[in-house]
Amino acid sequence: KAGVTQTPRYLIKTRGQQVTLSCSPISGHRSVSWYQQTPGQGLQFLFEYFSETQRNKGNFPGRFSGRQFSNSRSEMNVSTLELGDSALYLCASSMSGSGDTQYFGPGTRLTVL
Amino acid sequence: GEDVEQSLFLSVREGDSSVINCTYTDSSSTYLYWYKQEPGAGLQLLTYIFSNMDMKQDQRLTVLLNKKDKHLSLRIADTQTGDSAIYFCAEDYGGSQGNLIFGKGTKLSVKP
Repeated sequence: KAGVTQTPRYLIKTRGQQVTLSCSPISGHRSVSWYQQTPGQGLQFLFEYFSETQRNKGNFPGRFSGRQFSNSRSEMNVSTLELGDSALYLCASSMSGSGDTQYFGPGTRLTVL
Repeated sequence: GEDVEQSLFLSVREGDSSVINCTYTDSSSTYLYWYKQEPGAGLQLLTYIFSNMDMKQDQRLTVLLNKKDKHLSLRIADTQTGDSAIYFCAEDYGGSQGNLIFGKGTKLSVKP
């Protein structure tokens, strides 16, 4: 089975722009979670989607949003980028979310200048 | 709230055993995980343990869980230079809906 894929792998944006990141889960997995990883804060949960519905959300501002499509692929969007949004964004997929092992993609490295 | 603590650094000699420790606070955790992250890469699942188990062995990896003290450890036998990476402990508590709580990670350095 193919693993979790994320595109693009690297992105450079400037402050004020917006960005969309994509995640394709492992085939058959219906839950997709997104995390932000920074040196200072570590790994922080952004949100989780299951069957096109957001079921859980972390403590991030409304500039961070996401969605999930009927094929379980997910996108996250960050609007009005700030320097502090520079991070590695990781997505993880699992069968159903709670109590299931999460498998991570390679991440998208976002740099905001 | 939920919190997971790990020591930040560990240095060992090649061939020795490495023990990475983790403490967690949520007593309702159902699964506890160990992930490995190499530079520039995502997280690779190493192993996990269900909260009603005390120990799990998987080749060179041994996970010990002390539920009373909320302490989890990962032992890597015969540590190799390729084991150098950051190791994250994570808990998945009941009803978390896809939200794993991670520690800050332990950077393991293996010296030849």
